[in-house]
Amino acid sequence: DVKVTQSSRYLVKRTGEKVFLECVQDMDHENMFWYRQDPGLGLRLIYFSYDVKMKEKGDIPEGYSVSREKKERFSLILESASTNQTSMYLCASRGGGKETQYFGPGTRLLVL
Amino acid sequence: DQQVKQNSPSLSVQEGRISILNCDYTNSMFDYFLWYKKYPAEGPTFLISISSIKDKNEDGRFTVFLNKSAKHLSLHIVPSQPGDSAVYFCAANPGAGSYQLTFGKGTKLSVIP
Repeated sequence: DVKVTQSSRYLVKRTGEKVFLECVQDMDHENMFWYRQDPGLGLRLIYFSYDVKMKEKGDIPEGYSVSREKKERFSLILESASTNQTSMYLCASRGGGKETQYFGPGTRLLVL
Repeated sequence: DQQVKQNSPSLSVQEGRISILNCDYTNSMFDYFLWYKKYPAEGPTFLISISSIKDKNEDGRFTVFLNKSAKHLSLHIVPSQPGDSAVYFCAANPGAGSYQLTFGKGTKLSVIP
C-alpha cells in the first residue's frame, strides 16, 4: 500500500509567520503534488514536482513556494502566512507509470 | 473555466438504493478519469478509474460509466451503505505524459439509514 504522510494534522499560525508543511511518501514515486481544498472550490493544485529538485507551478502558486531535495519528501512553504491561506492542505504522490495520485491525510491550517 | 464539472453539490439516497454521481467535462483531450472519496478531515482516497478506451469499469459495488460523445461520466454505487456518506470528487487527466489531474468541486453524498 502507498503511504503518504504529512507532518501535522492541525496547525495554527499567526499572520506573517513562515510556515513549513512537509510530506513524505514511501513508494519511490517520481511525482508529488500540493493541493488546497476549500469548501465549494474542490481541490486546487498549488505546485507539483515531477522529479527531485524539479518543480512546476500549478493553478494557484501565489504566496507559496516548494522544495524537493529528496525523492521521498516534498515541502510546501508559506513565506508570510495570510488569513486567506487558512485551508486544508493535501499532499499527493504518483508514480510507476500510473495516473492515480495517492493522498496524505491532510493538514488543516488556521492563520490568525 | 471549469473543465470538470460536478453540477450536484449534494445528493441524498436511502440505504440499499442506488447512488448515481455525475460528472461532465469539456476538454476532449482528457483520456483517463478517476473517482475519489473523501471523509471530513481526511485525505481523498482513490476509488475507481476508467480509461477512455472503455465505457464501463466495475469494482464491487462501484461502477463507473463513460460516455465520450457526451463528455460525461457517472459513478454508480449499488447498494448504497451509510459508510458511503462522503464527498466524491471526479478527476481527469489528459494523458500524453501530463502529470496533472483536474478535479471537479465534489458532490456530498448522504446515505440515510
